[in-house]
Amino acid sequence: DQQVKQNSPSLSVQEGRISILNCDYTNSMFDYFLWYKKYPAEGPTFLISISSIKDKNEDGRFTVFLNKSAKHLSLHIVPSQPGDSAVYFCAASAFGGSRLTFGEGTQLTVNP
Amino acid sequence: NAGVTQTPKFQVLKTGQSMTLQCAQDMNHEYMSWYRQDPGMGLRLIHYSVGAGITDQGEVPNGYNVSRSTTEDFPLRLLSAAPSQTSVYFCASSYDSPNYGYTFGSGTRLTVV
Repeated sequence: DQQVKQNSPSLSVQEGRISILNCDYTNSMFDYFLWYKKYPAEGPTFLISISSIKDKNEDGRFTVFLNKSAKHLSLHIVPSQPGDSAVYFCAASAFGGSRLTFGEGTQLTVNP
Repeated sequence: NAGVTQTPKFQVLKTGQSMTLQCAQDMNHEYMSWYRQDPGMGLRLIHYSVGAGITDQGEVPNGYNVSRSTTEDFPLRLLSAAPSQTSVYFCASSYDSPNYGYTFGSGTRLTVV
């Protein structure tokens, strides 16, 4: 069963607007969540993370929100730039994080 | 500062052949993992290691073996390749828990015919 789900395979936004990428999880033991960005023919790169003791974490243009009761997290990118066009994966871990479980990924396209 | 190096970048195998995907990191990272990426399925964990001499299975370990004799190297062995193992394989490492962010290699694209 897919414990981490990204229900939107793709998202298209205009440059300068907000991009919102969503992720849902089913395992209530997950206590740490991460977002990765992946360009074609490259490995994923770590973007931002959040612990379950927080509900928000910011890093520049990127903000991750966590709603534990809904088992939902989202990544906001403001303002979106064409260089943000990539596949975004959310990931989760439990019990101190020796293994990460990834979602299916969302292809973000930012149009100039 | 090479980071995580995966070789080869591309490989075509015939069904039943065996091969080893190499992964090496020069960052003295304790945690290392192998993932496969398939369309619509994201990244799925094959095997992982929390230090030299310690390995464990992930979500999809069947058909793969690993060993971790040194901190630097974490090879992935395909025992008898099958078309279902056609995928892009990524190796990743982190100094501490992966919660602090994995560093991924650039991947190996494997085709089994």
